[in-house]
Amino acid sequence: TQLLEQSPQFLSIQEGENLTVYCNSSSVFSSLQWYRQEPGEGPVLLVTVVTGGEVKKLKRLTFQFGDARKDSSLHITAAQPGDTGLYLCAGVKAAGNKLTFGGGTRVLVKP
Amino acid sequence: GAGVSQSPSNKVTEKGKDVELRCDPISGHTALYWYRQSLGQGLEFLIYFQGNSAPDKSGLPSDRFSAERTGGSVSTLTIQRTQQEDSAVYLCASSKRELNEQYFGPGTRLTVT
Repeated sequence: TQLLEQSPQFLSIQEGENLTVYCNSSSVFSSLQWYRQEPGEGPVLLVTVVTGGEVKKLKRLTFQFGDARKDSSLHITAAQPGDTGLYLCAGVKAAGNKLTFGGGTRVLVKP
Repeated sequence: GAGVSQSPSNKVTEKGKDVELRCDPISGHTALYWYRQSLGQGLEFLIYFQGNSAPDKSGLPSDRFSAERTGGSVSTLTIQRTQQEDSAVYLCASSKRELNEQYFGPGTRLTVT
C-alpha cells in the first residue's frame, strides 16, 4: 500500500470536458506538490500547497489541499489535448525530510 | 540556464553486468535526489544528498545499489550485477534546498536483458 493513493489510475476524456484527480492518505502532510510528466521527460512542478483548506488556481487547473492536510485534488476545467500526461502528487510528511510520490494518474484528452 | 542533465539517456545491458548512471544537477543546488520509475508508474525514492551531510540511503532496494556525489555536484548511481527487475527509468532531481521545488532530468531508461 502506497503512502499516497491517487485515483483514478487512468482517465480518458474528450476535449472540453472537466476532470478531477484525487490524492489521498491517512497521514498528515506539511506540504503537498503536484507534478505533470510527459513521455520521455522528467516531472515538472505545477503547484505546492501548504495550508489546510488552501485552494490554488493555475489557469484552468484548480488545486485543493484538504482541511486536515491528508488529501488533495486537482480539477481541470475544459480539458485540452495539451493537458495529456501523467499527474503525480507528492507530499512531505509532518516532521519528515523527503518527498513521497503517489502512483500517478494518467490523463488522456482526446481531440 | 542549463537544467538537470542525465547520461546516458538509454542503456541496455546484460543481466549480471554493472552499470553507472550519471546526473549533473543545476549549478548551486545543494540537494540531489535519485528516483526509479517503472513503466508509467509513480516515483520510488532511492537516495538523496543534501550538502555535506551523510546521504539518506533508506530507499535503496538492495546492496547492489550505491551512489556517490563528488564535490557537491555530479552524482553517479551504480547498480552492480544487474537483474531484469532493475529495468526502469532512473530519474535524478535537484533543488536549491531540501524539500524545495525539485527540478528533474529527463531520466535514463535502463533495460536489462
